[in-house]
Amino acid sequence: EADIYQTPRYLVIGTGKKITLECSQTMGHDKMYWYQQDPGMELHLIHYSYGVNSTEKGDLSSESTVSRIRTEHFPLTLESARPSHTSQYLCASRPGRGHSTDTQYFGPGTRLTVL
Amino acid sequence: GQQLNQSPQSMFIQEGEDVSMNCTSSSIFNTWLWYKQDPGEGPVLLIALYKAGELTSNGRLTAQFGITRKDSFLNISASIPSDVGIYFCAGQKTGANNLFFGTGTRLTVIP
Repeated sequence: EADIYQTPRYLVIGTGKKITLECSQTMGHDKMYWYQQDPGMELHLIHYSYGVNSTEKGDLSSESTVSRIRTEHFPLTLESARPSHTSQYLCASRPGRGHSTDTQYFGPGTRLTVL
Repeated sequence: GQQLNQSPQSMFIQEGEDVSMNCTSSSIFNTWLWYKQDPGEGPVLLIALYKAGELTSNGRLTAQFGITRKDSFLNISASIPSDVGIYFCAGQKTGANNLFFGTGTRLTVIP
């Protein structure tokens, strides 16, 4: 089972602030993902990465950006937060090979509130 | 994008009762996963299914990969209060990098 961490767990900020949501995993997984989820609703993929220096946009358009400089680290940045960005952000990772390659493991999430 | 429909959308059951929920799609998937999410937390993997017709158990949970590869079922036996949460199915197609998530089933267990 993967160990995947997200910080902060909760963040309340004002409009216009720049923020970075951190995600780290210690299992050496190649693939990492960011999802956006409103409370009790389905998950929407906003970014993913196949490995170092690889980033792709997901199904849901997002004003956030991501980077993947190291295998274990996949931060998400919002240059200028707005109230419409209020949501829960979930990071996930999965191994690159083997029968369990389809299994994604999730972090605890960051609940973002923009005032 | 792909849509996975889960039913029921929500359930209220008495402690000790069995629970059944399902997930259907118009597309074929080669992997089905079931996750449980508690409020304010990330989804936790319950069961993974990799083969059509496969029936897999994890404690009181049993899940099946539908023969048509377009559906999956999750059963919980003898429910307890800690089963409360939202259950999501997720499917993956061959060669795809992404999972498609269902709309979720919210389970409430009444003590």
